[in-house]
Amino acid sequence: DQQVKQNSPSLSVQEGRISILNCDYTNSMFDYFLWYKKYPAEGPTFLISISSIKDKNEDGRFTVFLNKSAKHLSLHIVPSQPGDSAVYFCAASARMDSNYQLIWGAGTKLIIKP
Amino acid sequence: EAQVTQNPRYLITVTGKKLTVTCSQNMNHEYMSWYRQDPGLGLRQIYYSMNVEVTDKGDVPEGYKVSRKEKRNFPLILESPSPNQTSLYFCASSLWQGAYGYTFGSGTRLTVV
Repeated sequence: DQQVKQNSPSLSVQEGRISILNCDYTNSMFDYFLWYKKYPAEGPTFLISISSIKDKNEDGRFTVFLNKSAKHLSLHIVPSQPGDSAVYFCAASARMDSNYQLIWGAGTKLIIKP
Repeated sequence: EAQVTQNPRYLITVTGKKLTVTCSQNMNHEYMSWYRQDPGLGLRQIYYSMNVEVTDKGDVPEGYKVSRKEKRNFPLILESPSPNQTSLYFCASSLWQGAYGYTFGSGTRLTVV
């Protein structure tokens, strides 16, 4: 049972337009959500996060929105640039049995077209 | 440069031949973890360590061992590799378990034939 789902395996967006990556979750105990970016032949790198008590967090071209009632979060990239082409992972954190667990989505491959 | 170093980057081995994937971090992080990435499944945690001599199972620990004898190193050991352990492996570290800014290594692509 996947607690964190990224339903789009890939997404293609024109350079300069907005990229919207989506993530759904099932566990209402998640208290923190994160986005990581991964280039081929490299490990994931932390991009942006949001606490469950907020509904928006912005960092430059990247904004994450959280809709707790829908158990949905999204990452907006505006404007999209060629260097944004990568796999994006959504992850959610919860404290379980005195340990923190980070649950990962399957990833969405973003392709920015020139 | 602050980093997590994994070796080797690529490895092809035969079923049953013991192997070790090394992981080292230079950031004095307490928390280290191993993940495997498989298509359509995202990152799944194999083992983690909250500090020296403290290790615990993640979601998919079967067939793996780890040790944390010193803070900087967290090797992943496959005593008897099988083809279903063919995967892309990542080591990660962070200041402490609840800190979310994980630093990942570049990955080890393992093929077991």
